[in-house]
Amino acid sequence: QKEVEQNSGPLSVPEGAIASLNCTYSDRGSQSFFWYRQYSGKSPELIMSIYSNGDKEDGRFTAQLNKASQYVSLLIRDSQPSDSATYLCAVTGGSYIPTFGRGTSLIVHP
Amino acid sequence: EAGVTQFPSHSVIEKGQTVTLRCDPISGHDNLYWYRRVMGKEIKFLLHFVKESKQDESGMPNNRFLAERTGGTYSTLKVQPAELEDSGVYFCASSQSPAEAFFGQGTRLTVV
Repeated sequence: QKEVEQNSGPLSVPEGAIASLNCTYSDRGSQSFFWYRQYSGKSPELIMSIYSNGDKEDGRFTAQLNKASQYVSLLIRDSQPSDSATYLCAVTGGSYIPTFGRGTSLIVHP
Repeated sequence: EAGVTQFPSHSVIEKGQTVTLRCDPISGHDNLYWYRRVMGKEIKFLLHFVKESKQDESGMPNNRFLAERTGGTYSTLKVQPAELEDSGVYFCASSQSPAEAFFGQGTRLTVV
């Protein structure tokens, strides 16, 4: 059973702070890693993808991947109230079917 | 470019009735996925089409669920007969590459 684990939260951070979201996965053969953002009642929206070890930055978002530790994280710098949402980690392996974690609820308070 | 569209957005049916959900993927996307999210749980994979072929249907809960993808375009997911535990949000996603999937708005199904 391939599993993707996330702390359900909520993670509460003040506006302007760095929010750190974490995800671990069980399948060592996993190849692709994604972060989706889901606002309440809306569909998941892809915000970051990462395929190799290290950091990948896109604006205020940085994805970090450590395959040896089977760990992927998402950092959000200068957090804004509009970043408040559920963040879903998804992992794909050889079958290319994304497997999702439960998501972490992020609350950015003014 | 139109995104993934799903119909209906909401459906309330009685136990034992039949419901059909529809998904129109992004044009040109060969991969189409159905997922379901039950309250408080993670998004669970149901099945995967590549064009009109079922590539993986290991996530389908039982034979009350039937998915089709006519001509490799839109897909339908039929639940017959519906049970209370089928309630949840059904998401469809599509992708061109076998990696980045784009989601529809989902269909919220309530079985009463």
